[in-house]
Amino acid sequence: DIQMTQTPSSLSACVGDRVTITCRASQNINTYLNWYQQKPGKAPSLLIYAASTLQSGVPSRFSGSGSGTDFTLTITSLQPEDFVTYYCQQSYSTPRTFGQGTKVEIK
Amino acid sequence: QVQLVQSGAEMKKPGASVKVSCKASGYTFTGYFVHWVRQAPGQGLEWMGRINPNSGDTNYAQKLQGRVTMTRDSSVNTAYMELSSLRSDDTAIYYCARERDFSTSRAIDYWGQGTLVTVSS
Repeated sequence: DIQMTQTPSSLSACVGDRVTITCRASQNINTYLNWYQQKPGKAPSLLIYAASTLQSGVPSRFSGSGSGTDFTLTITSLQPEDFVTYYCQQSYSTPRTFGQGTKVEIK
Repeated sequence: QVQLVQSGAEMKKPGASVKVSCKASGYTFTGYFVHWVRQAPGQGLEWMGRINPNSGDTNYAQKLQGRVTMTRDSSVNTAYMELSSLRSDDTAIYYCARERDFSTSRAIDYWGQGTLVTVSS
């Protein structure tokens, strides 16, 4: 199975800050890496697929990069609605695996 | 518009089984894999398995093999997930989700609203 290690597990930031979340795969997954956002009490929603492609309707302050084993999600100029939890997921093979999640909190 | 509508919350006793349904609309049901993902209270996302609604072929997470069964009824555009021999640590929100193939990747692009399954004596 491919293990996904996501860091940090939580971070504190201010509105307007830039933050970066990292996801590392235990083996090469090319660009089969997705990022999801989950708001409290809601199902996750797709932010970025193929490592760097923004899902339709997602604000441009979100961006993704990486390939192979190392990936990042960057949020520039944090907005109040961005203080939620983010997950990476590999779709290279089954079982699909998720990172442990990163909770972005207001400082 | 694409919708995945799941059945309602369930409360079960340890050892029992639960079957959750996921009715799809707004797209060709047989054209996309349906995945099941669960989330225990305050925890992260756990992939349970997937079903190809066209063929009925399934893949399950190793830890759930033997307890989980995923099926579909294409005549009513509905996928099902049954989990048996329930334990307290199966208490979670269970999501169905559609996976889409993009040209260079694949990702879950639509999720059901979730079904809370509580296992308690």
